[in-house]
Amino acid sequence: DTGVSQDPRHKITKRGQNVTFRCDPISEHNRLYWYRQTLGQGPEFLTYFQNEAQLEKSRLLSDRFSAERPKGSFSTLEIQRTEQGDSAMYLCASSPEWDRGDQETQYFGPGTRLLVL
Amino acid sequence: GDSVTQMEGPVTLSEEAFLTINCTYTATGYPSLFWYVQYPGEGLQLLLKATKADDKGSNKGFEATYRKETTSFHLEKGSVQVSDSAVYFCALRSYSSASKIIFGSGTRLSIRP
Repeated sequence: DTGVSQDPRHKITKRGQNVTFRCDPISEHNRLYWYRQTLGQGPEFLTYFQNEAQLEKSRLLSDRFSAERPKGSFSTLEIQRTEQGDSAMYLCASSPEWDRGDQETQYFGPGTRLLVL
Repeated sequence: GDSVTQMEGPVTLSEEAFLTINCTYTATGYPSLFWYVQYPGEGLQLLLKATKADDKGSNKGFEATYRKETTSFHLEKGSVQVSDSAVYFCALRSYSSASKIIFGSGTRLSIRP
């Protein structure tokens, strides 16, 4: 099965450190999304890529957050100078192009759980 | 802005009971509506979807009908099983957005044998 994969699955860091997460989407999907999910809440949209272009960013994505998708395949999400409020599950999803079937569906990875001490 | 409101949990039912999880939405235009499920230790999975008014989405015995007049998309199942224990999220994607899905806060469902 070649679903969406994320690495690492868990990350514990100290406040002020930088962390980077990786997402590998389903290979034929050109759209990639990042969401953040805090305990007891639904996922909240962070940002969206079509191929290598970052087309939309949420106001939740502060200056300490940066996401890249340099070759239109995998993506990284970096958080600089982490704060305790950044503790959450970071989810990645991908979807196919609009002109193909099932373009409504976003397929989610297992997430990276971040704990900032 | 667009939003989704769903029934708060946790919901605890006995096996074979009838399930309803209420979901209402606020959106401009004609959003697509979804139910996602998160089983313990697993990622979010699409359970069912409906893309226009009066459409009924169905999967694994679950159903939900897109009701524009009441802006609702309630999830139902006639006879739940222990294996249905999970967190269920109602969600929408607005017509004007090619990207983000807006999720409700989730409803935790526990089924007793």
